[in-house]
Amino acid sequence: DSGVTQTPKHLITATGQRVTLRCSPRSGDLSVYWYQQSLDQGLQFLIQYYNGEERAKGNILERFSAQQFPDLHSELNLSSLELGDSALYFCASSGDNSSPLHFGNGTRLTVT
Amino acid sequence: AQKITQTQPGMFVQEKEAVTLDCTYDTSDQSYGLFWYKQPSSGEMIFLIYQGSYDEQNATEGRYSLNFQKARKSANLVISASQLGDSAMYFCAMRDPRYSSASKIIFGSGTRLSIRP
Repeated sequence: DSGVTQTPKHLITATGQRVTLRCSPRSGDLSVYWYQQSLDQGLQFLIQYYNGEERAKGNILERFSAQQFPDLHSELNLSSLELGDSALYFCASSGDNSSPLHFGNGTRLTVT
Repeated sequence: AQKITQTQPGMFVQEKEAVTLDCTYDTSDQSYGLFWYKQPSSGEMIFLIYQGSYDEQNATEGRYSLNFQKARKSANLVISASQLGDSAMYFCAMRDPRYSSASKIIFGSGTRLSIRP
């Protein structure tokens, strides 16, 4: 068990809809990362938060947004969903900068 | 720009043999960290091993070792005595820059390893 909790595990929704993915980092970790993994693809870095502030941004679409709350949990909001947004979305947390990322089990999003 | 390249999309290896998974990286920073992760068919991401750019010795964790060649910018994963349970997707990743709270961690495209009995 990595200590990172992601909810929900599965999400099925229609095109045009909006969803929120939730992540609770490992106790004590200040950094939260979000990644998208499309079918049989690598992990695409979306965004990183550190102690509530956005710190690094990848190729995150404007339809996507995220935030990290004072209790350090994070949410990834995906709006105006398209079929191509179907993917496995991972949250990961990290302590100091020599620490590895610890991943949650992911949220599998299916857009129909 | 930082980049991670894994040139082996798939590999087949006989059980009990050693296997080397290739990873090359590109960064202009002197300080960075390199990671390997395993993703079995169940989908979770499992951390295997870490190497810091200033670490003089190659990292080892059980049957996993990292063959770090800084001048060549390569960080190959070596799995000794492979087991059927090693069949999975393997990703190389880099944190760059290392000592900043604003550090991207990027992943390579992965190598799918299949162990034959």
